[in-house]
Amino acid sequence: DAKTTQPNSMESNEEEPVHLPCNHSTISGTDYIHWYRQLPSQGPEYVIHGLTSNVNNRMASLAIAEDRKSSTLILHRATLRDAAVYYCILRDRSGTSYGKLTFGQGTILTVHP
Amino acid sequence: ETGVTQTPRHLVMGMTNKKSLKCEQHLGHNAMYWYKQSAKKPLELMFVYNFKEQTENNSVPSRFSPECPNSSHLFLHLHTLQPEDSALYLCASSPSGNYNNEQFFGPGTRLTVL
Repeated sequence: DAKTTQPNSMESNEEEPVHLPCNHSTISGTDYIHWYRQLPSQGPEYVIHGLTSNVNNRMASLAIAEDRKSSTLILHRATLRDAAVYYCILRDRSGTSYGKLTFGQGTILTVHP
Repeated sequence: ETGVTQTPRHLVMGMTNKKSLKCEQHLGHNAMYWYKQSAKKPLELMFVYNFKEQTENNSVPSRFSPECPNSSHLFLHLHTLQPEDSALYLCASSPSGNYNNEQFFGPGTRLTVL
């Protein structure tokens, strides 16, 4: 599986934007970029995903570099509830990977009041 | 609430015990997954079931035995576990095993092996 690299931790203040980076320099043309997050004492939850174009949903925005070797998850206004571990994951759309999610260490986001 | 429930939420067992973890999804999904989350380690995929058929076993020791009687239920049978098997066991489901499907996770079962 192609690998992703994320900072171990980041901090933000409440109501400020947060940009969470992810490097995936070995990404293949068939890989989608997915983001999940895990709130304390909960299972992971889906945040957003994309292939080439930037994506927006009610939770966040995903900005994908033109060469697709990096991406950034953007939380437009962080809240205390956004404190979590954020995972950037590549998912192969070719073959029979059967939806395999390969988690890394992720980025621990701390949000200060 | 994600529509995926897991029971029990906490389990303590001895190395000679046999126990089972249960997962149920109320989302009409056809793929279900078991993941293991140990302290200080990333989440690891253990098993994948797609339309009740096991499609992935990620080199999991035989002391973990999954069962998927239908698309809504998934079990993980445990026997003769080791203390290093203590972890959070997470169940997830998705509409199918397709690469593009969002996975919905349950809250997990915290397992302690004495």
